Amino acid sequence: GAVVSQHPSWVICKSGTSVKIECRSLDFQATTMFWYRQFPKQSLMLMATSNEGSKATYEQGVEKDKFLINHASLTLSTLTVTSAHPEDSSFYICSAPMKTYGYTFGSGTRLTVV
Amino acid sequence: QKEVEQDPGPLSVPEGAIVSLNCTYSNSAFQYFMWYRQYSRKGPELLMYTYSSGNKEDGRFTAQVDKSSKYISLFIRDSQPSDSATYLCAMSWNSNSGYALNFGKGTSLLVTP
Repeated sequence: GAVVSQHPSWVICKSGTSVKIECRSLDFQATTMFWYRQFPKQSLMLMATSNEGSKATYEQGVEKDKFLINHASLTLSTLTVTSAHPEDSSFYICSAPMKTYGYTFGSGTRLTVV
Repeated sequence: QKEVEQDPGPLSVPEGAIVSLNCTYSNSAFQYFMWYRQYSRKGPELLMYTYSSGNKEDGRFTAQVDKSSKYISLFIRDSQPSDSATYLCAMSWNSNSGYALNFGKGTSLLVTP
């Protein structure tokens, strides 16, 4: 149980375009979703926290107008990278807290901006 | 100074060896400690979770927490090639679902046949 399905698993887009990443909780309701970014050989860095029905909370240095997060329902949270640039190329992962303990992660989205 | 320090490796061991992975942390408020395994281009999967000092064992894995030294370890016995992955330590000061995890950089492990 406690599976988060993340799509797409990888995407290549042109510079200046927008990309939407979806995370769905399949067998539980995720009132909170964390969005992380991971550069090669680096740790997962928290970008923002989304809560169903309210505005997302962004970490310092993360542009909220560039990384749009929507958590419209208890089973779906989305991250849209707007006007993507090559420096946005990274591995994006969502994570939701589980009922018992710990957190479950999506499988990640590898974004390449060319 | 980063809150969670972890040697990135890479660490290469022969099959059957005992592997020791470690993290140190600076924030004494951290109470909950986790180890995740991450295969290349995949999301992390939870291996071990603990919230107290001492040892916790699960099959070939043992998690050890020393809060006085701010040091946690993961031991893997009888390592297998399938254990080759990146291991991330993570910690939090609150089990409340509103709090995200603080991760180490991850240690890359290669178990050779």
